[in-house]
Amino acid sequence: DGGITQSPKYLFRKEGQNVTLSCEQNLNHDAMYWYRQDPGQGLRLIYYSQIVNDFQKGDIAEGYSVSREKKESFPLTVTSAQKNPTAFYLCASSLNLNQPQHFGDGTRLSIL
Amino acid sequence: DAKTTQPTSMDCAEGRAANLPCNHSTISGNEYVYWYRQIHSQGPQYIIHGLKNNETNEMASLIITEDRKSSTLILPHATLRDTAVYYCIVRVVSQGGSEKLVFGKGTKLTVNP
Repeated sequence: DGGITQSPKYLFRKEGQNVTLSCEQNLNHDAMYWYRQDPGQGLRLIYYSQIVNDFQKGDIAEGYSVSREKKESFPLTVTSAQKNPTAFYLCASSLNLNQPQHFGDGTRLSIL
Repeated sequence: DAKTTQPTSMDCAEGRAANLPCNHSTISGNEYVYWYRQIHSQGPQYIIHGLKNNETNEMASLIITEDRKSSTLILPHATLRDTAVYYCIVRVVSQGGSEKLVFGKGTKLTVNP
Protein backbone atom coordinates (compact mmCIF):
# COMPACT_ATOMS: atom_id res chain seq x y z
CA ASP A 1 0.00 0.00 0.00
CA GLY A 2 1.13 3.55 -0.65
CA GLY A 3 1.87 5.74 2.29
CA ILE A 4 4.31 7.48 4.57
CA THR A 5 6.49 5.49 6.93
CA GLN A 6 8.20 6.99 9.93
CA SER A 7 10.66 5.05 12.01
CA PRO A 8 11.22 4.32 14.75
CA LYS A 9 7.92 4.86 16.57
CA TYR A 10 9.71 5.58 19.85
CA LEU A 11 13.25 6.95 20.19
CA PHE A 12 15.39 7.75 23.19
CA ARG A 13 18.41 9.99 23.16
CA LYS A 14 21.03 10.98 25.67
CA GLU A 15 21.68 14.65 26.16
CA GLY A 16 24.35 15.97 23.82
CA GLN A 17 23.72 13.39 21.11
CA ASN A 18 22.42 13.94 17.62
CA VAL A 19 19.64 11.64 16.44
CA THR A 20 18.10 11.11 12.99
CA LEU A 21 14.42 10.39 12.36
CA SER A 22 13.48 8.56 9.20
CA CYS A 23 10.63 9.46 6.82
CA GLU A 24 9.95 7.54 3.61
CA GLN A 25 7.04 7.89 1.18
CA ASN A 26 6.05 5.85 -1.87
CA LEU A 27 3.30 8.20 -3.01
CA ASN A 28 5.51 9.87 -5.63
CA HIS A 29 4.93 13.19 -3.86
CA ASP A 30 7.27 16.09 -4.60
CA ALA A 31 6.76 18.00 -1.33
CA MET A 32 7.66 16.78 2.14
CA TYR A 33 7.42 18.36 5.58
CA TRP A 34 8.50 17.93 9.19
CA TYR A 35 6.34 19.11 12.09
CA ARG A 36 6.75 19.00 15.83
CA GLN A 37 3.85 18.53 18.25
CA ASP A 38 4.05 19.18 22.00
CA PRO A 39 1.46 17.82 24.46
CA GLY A 40 -1.93 19.48 24.08
CA GLN A 41 -0.66 21.71 21.29
CA GLY A 42 -1.04 21.99 17.55
CA LEU A 43 1.69 21.23 15.02
CA ARG A 44 4.60 23.55 14.25
CA LEU A 45 6.54 23.44 11.00
CA ILE A 46 10.26 22.65 11.27
CA TYR A 47 11.40 22.23 7.64
CA TYR A 48 9.81 21.57 4.29
CA SER A 49 11.06 20.51 0.88
CA GLN A 50 9.33 21.38 -2.37
CA ILE A 51 11.49 19.13 -4.52
CA VAL A 52 14.59 16.92 -4.42
CA ASN A 53 17.80 18.70 -3.36
CA ASP A 54 15.84 21.69 -2.06
CA PHE A 55 14.52 22.50 1.41
CA GLN A 56 13.44 25.55 3.39
CA LYS A 57 13.26 26.46 7.07
CA GLY A 58 9.91 26.51 8.76
CA ASP A 59 8.99 28.37 11.94
CA ILE A 60 11.19 26.44 14.40
CA ALA A 61 14.21 25.20 12.40
CA GLU A 62 16.87 26.03 15.03
CA GLY A 63 18.57 22.90 16.31
CA TYR A 64 17.36 20.75 13.41
CA SER A 65 18.76 19.79 10.00
CA VAL A 66 17.35 17.91 7.00
CA SER A 67 18.41 16.52 3.65
CA ARG A 68 16.47 15.62 0.51
CA GLU A 69 18.78 13.53 -1.65
CA LYS A 70 15.99 11.27 -2.90
CA LYS A 71 12.38 12.06 -3.72
CA GLU A 72 11.03 9.42 -1.38
CA SER A 73 13.16 10.25 1.66
CA PHE A 74 13.34 13.30 3.96
CA PRO A 75 15.31 12.48 7.15
CA LEU A 76 15.33 14.91 10.09
CA THR A 77 18.33 15.24 12.40
CA VAL A 78 17.73 16.59 15.89
CA THR A 79 21.03 18.08 16.95
CA SER A 80 22.43 18.69 20.42
CA ALA A 81 21.72 22.38 19.82
CA GLN A 82 17.99 21.74 20.14
CA LYS A 83 17.25 22.70 23.75
CA ASN A 84 13.91 20.95 24.18
CA PRO A 85 13.90 17.99 21.79
CA THR A 86 11.34 15.87 23.65
CA ALA A 87 8.25 15.91 21.41
CA PHE A 88 6.13 14.03 18.89
CA TYR A 89 7.60 14.46 15.39
CA LEU A 90 5.39 14.16 12.33
CA CYS A 91 6.40 13.86 8.70
CA ALA A 92 4.00 14.70 5.87
CA SER A 93 4.02 14.76 2.09
CA SER A 94 1.90 16.23 -0.67
CA LEU A 95 1.82 16.04 -4.45
CA ASN A 96 2.98 19.64 -4.54
CA LEU A 97 2.75 22.67 -2.28
CA ASN A 98 -0.89 23.28 -3.27
CA GLN A 99 -2.30 19.83 -2.51
CA PRO A 100 -3.44 18.36 0.84
CA GLN A 101 -0.74 16.97 3.09
CA HIS A 102 -0.78 13.35 4.19
CA PHE A 103 0.92 12.39 7.45
CA GLY A 104 2.89 9.49 8.83
CA ASP A 105 2.17 8.04 12.28
CA GLY A 106 4.96 9.96 13.96
CA THR A 107 8.06 9.36 16.07
CA ARG A 108 7.99 10.10 19.78
CA LEU A 109 11.43 11.33 20.91
CA SER A 110 12.42 11.36 24.57
CA ILE A 111 15.59 12.54 26.28
CA LEU A 112 17.16 10.25 28.87
CA ASP B 1 -1.09 31.89 15.26
CA ALA B 2 -4.04 29.86 14.03
CA LYS B 3 -6.59 31.90 12.11
CA THR B 4 -9.51 29.76 13.23
CA THR B 5 -11.65 29.38 16.35
CA GLN B 6 -13.19 26.06 17.35
CA PRO B 7 -14.97 24.80 20.47
CA THR B 8 -12.64 22.92 22.78
CA SER B 9 -14.81 19.82 22.98
CA MET B 10 -18.04 18.28 21.73
CA ASP B 11 -20.02 15.10 22.32
CA CYS B 12 -22.11 13.12 19.86
CA ALA B 13 -24.21 9.96 20.08
CA GLU B 14 -23.17 7.03 17.93
CA GLY B 15 -25.15 6.91 14.68
CA ARG B 16 -26.07 10.60 14.84
CA ALA B 17 -24.63 13.37 12.71
CA ALA B 18 -21.70 15.26 14.23
CA ASN B 19 -21.61 18.95 13.29
CA LEU B 20 -18.30 20.62 14.08
CA PRO B 21 -18.24 24.43 13.73
CA CYS B 22 -15.29 26.64 12.88
CA ASN B 23 -14.97 30.43 12.71
CA HIS B 24 -12.46 32.01 10.34
CA SER B 25 -13.63 35.60 10.14
CA THR B 26 -10.32 36.95 8.77
CA ILE B 27 -10.06 34.50 5.89
CA SER B 28 -8.93 36.07 2.64
CA GLY B 29 -10.40 35.42 -0.78
CA ASN B 30 -7.82 32.90 -1.97
CA GLU B 31 -7.48 30.89 1.23
CA TYR B 32 -8.94 27.40 1.49
CA VAL B 33 -10.47 25.81 4.57
CA TYR B 34 -8.98 22.41 5.42
CA TRP B 35 -10.14 19.84 7.95
CA TYR B 36 -7.90 17.21 9.52
CA ARG B 37 -8.42 14.89 12.46
CA GLN B 38 -5.95 13.26 14.83
CA ILE B 39 -6.59 10.12 16.78
CA HIS B 40 -4.46 9.82 19.88
CA SER B 41 -0.77 9.12 19.18
CA GLN B 42 -1.26 8.97 15.42
CA GLY B 43 -0.54 11.43 12.62
CA PRO B 44 -3.27 13.80 11.44
CA GLN B 45 -5.60 12.44 8.77
CA TYR B 46 -6.80 14.66 5.93
CA ILE B 47 -10.60 14.82 5.73
CA ILE B 48 -11.73 17.48 3.27
CA HIS B 49 -11.08 21.00 2.03
CA GLY B 50 -12.98 23.74 0.20
CA LEU B 51 -12.84 27.30 -1.02
CA LYS B 52 -16.43 28.59 -1.15
CA ASN B 53 -18.67 25.83 -2.46
CA ASN B 54 -19.92 23.05 -0.22
CA GLU B 55 -17.93 19.85 -0.59
CA THR B 56 -18.67 16.18 0.09
CA ASN B 57 -16.54 13.08 0.01
CA GLU B 58 -16.70 9.58 1.45
CA MET B 59 -15.73 10.79 4.91
CA ALA B 60 -17.62 14.03 5.46
CA SER B 61 -19.35 17.13 4.14
CA LEU B 62 -18.07 20.67 4.41
CA ILE B 63 -20.52 23.56 4.53
CA ILE B 64 -19.02 27.04 4.08
CA THR B 65 -21.15 30.12 4.71
CA GLU B 66 -21.68 32.56 1.87
CA ASP B 67 -19.46 35.20 3.52
CA ARG B 68 -16.82 32.47 4.15
CA LYS B 69 -16.40 33.58 7.75
CA SER B 70 -17.37 30.21 9.15
CA SER B 71 -17.78 26.58 8.17
CA THR B 72 -19.16 23.32 9.52
CA LEU B 73 -17.76 19.83 9.13
CA ILE B 74 -20.48 17.19 9.11
CA LEU B 75 -19.90 13.52 9.86
CA PRO B 76 -23.27 12.12 8.79
CA HIS B 77 -23.33 8.95 10.92
CA ALA B 78 -20.71 9.16 13.66
CA THR B 79 -19.10 5.96 14.92
CA LEU B 80 -16.94 5.32 17.96
CA ARG B 81 -13.88 5.36 15.68
CA ASP B 82 -14.62 8.99 14.83
CA THR B 83 -13.55 10.01 18.34
CA ALA B 84 -10.58 12.30 17.70
CA VAL B 85 -9.34 15.90 17.75
CA TYR B 86 -10.63 17.73 14.68
CA TYR B 87 -8.62 20.62 13.29
CA CYS B 88 -10.04 23.37 11.09
CA ILE B 89 -7.22 25.09 9.22
CA VAL B 90 -7.01 28.04 6.89
CA ARG B 91 -4.21 27.55 4.42
CA VAL B 92 -1.45 30.04 5.09
CA VAL B 93 1.28 30.83 2.62
CA SER B 94 4.45 31.90 4.41
CA GLN B 95 7.06 34.36 3.21
CA GLY B 96 8.95 31.56 1.53
CA GLY B 97 5.85 30.48 -0.35
CA SER B 98 5.36 27.23 1.53
CA GLU B 99 2.11 25.36 1.89
CA LYS B 100 2.18 25.82 5.67
CA LEU B 101 -0.67 24.36 7.69
CA VAL B 102 -1.19 26.25 10.95
CA PHE B 103 -2.78 23.89 13.44
CA GLY B 104 -4.66 25.34 16.40
CA LYS B 105 -5.85 23.25 19.34
CA GLY B 106 -8.86 21.79 17.52
CA THR B 107 -12.10 20.29 18.84
CA LYS B 108 -12.00 17.09 20.84
CA LEU B 109 -14.99 15.09 19.55
CA THR B 110 -16.17 12.20 21.71
CA VAL B 111 -18.66 9.80 20.16
CA ASN B 112 -20.64 8.01 22.87
CA PRO B 113 -22.30 4.57 22.52
